[in-house]
Amino acid sequence: GDSVTQMEGPVTLSEEAFLTINCTYTATGYPSLFWYVQYPGEGLQLLLKATKADDKGSNKGFEATYRKETTSFHLEKGSVQVSDSAVYFCALSARDNYGQNFVFGPGTRLSVLP
Amino acid sequence: DAGVTQSPTHLIKTRGQQVTLRCSPKSGHDTVSWYQQALGQGPQFIFQYYEEEERQRGNFPDRFSGHQFPNYSSELNVNALLLGDSALYLCASSTRATQPQHFGDGTRLSIL
Repeated sequence: GDSVTQMEGPVTLSEEAFLTINCTYTATGYPSLFWYVQYPGEGLQLLLKATKADDKGSNKGFEATYRKETTSFHLEKGSVQVSDSAVYFCALSARDNYGQNFVFGPGTRLSVLP
Repeated sequence: DAGVTQSPTHLIKTRGQQVTLRCSPKSGHDTVSWYQQALGQGPQFIFQYYEEEERQRGNFPDRFSGHQFPNYSSELNVNALLLGDSALYLCASSTRATQPQHFGDGTRLSIL
């Protein structure tokens, strides 16, 4: 079945450091790819998405490129802030005759220190 | 415009009891999905409802059941609760078109 693998956390960075969180996937067909963020005590918020190969999703300084050849969707940010501390989930959505649904990775906890 | 709302926010039950969680989808959305998120893990898909019918189901036992009402709101029922059912239960809504699912803040269920 479909699956998503993320780099294990926690990831601890200093403010203004460069961030990369790796994500690879296994899926039949051509899934859409997403990054969600979860702050403590809250639900998931969509951070960015890409729906086809070579698409780049971007939001709030974060970006990720849909790489079909490497089945990857790595999340990057050039300069992290303390407020970026959260858990980040990579997810895929594959559409079939019944609609679409999401398969999530295990999440990567990011802590940014001032 | 209200997003996805879930109730209650927290719930404490004991083993063997039954629980009902509720979800109101974002305005304009007709599809509701439920997820279980154990502590420190990613959300796991339970099932999805559209047009008041269960359309897809994840790898969860029959103790987990649901319902969707004509106004698109939904309930998740869990019978014969086990300690392992302790988790954050997330509801997500969407349309049948290719749209990202919008999530509520979840119901934290604790089983004693």
